Order: sequence, then structure tokens, then C-alpha cells
Amino acid sequence: QVQLQQWGAGLLKPSETLSLTCAVYGGSLNNYYWSWVRQAPGKGLEWIGDVNHGGGTNYNPSLKSRVTISVDTSKSQFSLKLSSVTAADTAVYYCARGGCSTTRCYKNHELWGQGILVTVSS
Amino acid sequence: EIVLTQSPGTLSLSPGERASLSCRASQSISSTYIAWYQQKPGQAPRLLIYGASSRATGIPDRFSGSGSGTDFTLTISRLEPEDFAVYYCQQYGSSEVTFGGGTKVEIK
Repeated sequence: QVQLQQWGAGLLKPSETLSLTCAVYGGSLNNYYWSWVRQAPGKGLEWIGDVNHGGGTNYNPSLKSRVTISVDTSKSQFSLKLSSVTAADTAVYYCARGGCSTTRCYKNHELWGQGILVTVSS
Repeated sequence: EIVLTQSPGTLSLSPGERASLSCRASQSISSTYIAWYQQKPGQAPRLLIYGASSRATGIPDRFSGSGSGTDFTLTISRLEPEDFAVYYCQQYGSSEVTFGGGTKVEIK
């Protein structure tokens, strides 16, 4: 059974870089889309971006200038970096995997990590 | 950017009742690329429906999705106590994925 386990620093100061990693256990990174989604306290879901196994990325335009998502297939991991954080970046950050049919894969979120609360405070 | 508008914001119903949740898109979307998620407090979202009408693995058949074009609906035929939660729609047909703002289904 495939599981996603994520880790990273939970407390940052303004202007620092958020760095999170998501490890994939029990499955391959091949073919799927791997995403990051965040949720500010009491708010809805916000898609941050995604990466495929070949390293191709798509980002939320509102975050694009500060976001880098990368994949390390040798470690079965993918990562999120968000630079110049402010209090507005305080949120629970989730990693997620897309779903696949027999013929293609999709950018929905079939499998989720446990989530990490990242707080930005001076 | 495709904007998804969910209504109502809150739905107050009793167990056993039928729930209908709406998701309206700012432009036409292929039904292939519409999903619905359930989220309970303190938990990660759970995929319920993909491709507008296909249930994800393990999802009870009281959950159904329908719609096309710009209007999509999630229906819960008979609410069980564990169904009271927040529900989000999502479109993933463009390079930029977007979520709706959510509908909270609460106990009346």
C-alpha cells in the first residue's frame, strides 16, 4: 500500500525559505503527478503546484515567483521550496499523488500525506 | 484561471436526508477533470469522486457525482453521521489546478 510521509521545518521567520519533503513508500514515482496543496487556518484548499516523474512542473501563478517543486526519483521523494515567506504563508501543507487510469494519469489528488503545519512568525 | 464557486456555503441537514452540493465553473470544463473531496477536522482531504461521476476506491455508493459543462453536483443520497464534513470540488483540466471554496455539511 502506497503511503506518503512528509517532513520539514514547522516554524519559520519572515523572509526565510520553507522547505518540505514528501517520501513515497510502497510505490514508484513513475507516471504520476506529485503535488503540494496548502490550507491556511480555517480556510479552503489552495493548490501550490505539481511535478511529474520527469521533473516537469506547473505552479500556481500567485506563488510561481517563489515556488520550486522538484523530484528525486532515486530517493522516491519530491520536495517543495517556498522563498521569502510571510505570515500569509502560515498553513497546513499537504503532499499528494494524482490518480491514473489504464491509459493516462491525472492531476487530481488520490493519495495524501499527513500534512504539516508551517507557522511563519517573528 | 478557472474559478469554481460552490454553493451553498453551509448545508444544515439531518441524518438520513439527501444532500445536494453545487459547483459552478467560470468556464466550461470537460467532466473528465472534475473531482470532489471530503475533509473532516484535523484530517487530510479524501478523494470521493473523479471524472465528475466515478467513485474513488472504497467510497460508498450513497455518494454520487454528476454534471457537465459549467455545472456539477455532488449528491449524498442518505446522510450518515460520518458524512458531516466539508466538501470541495476541484478542476484539474488545465495546467493550473483550482479548488472551490467548500461547502460545509452540518447537523441540523
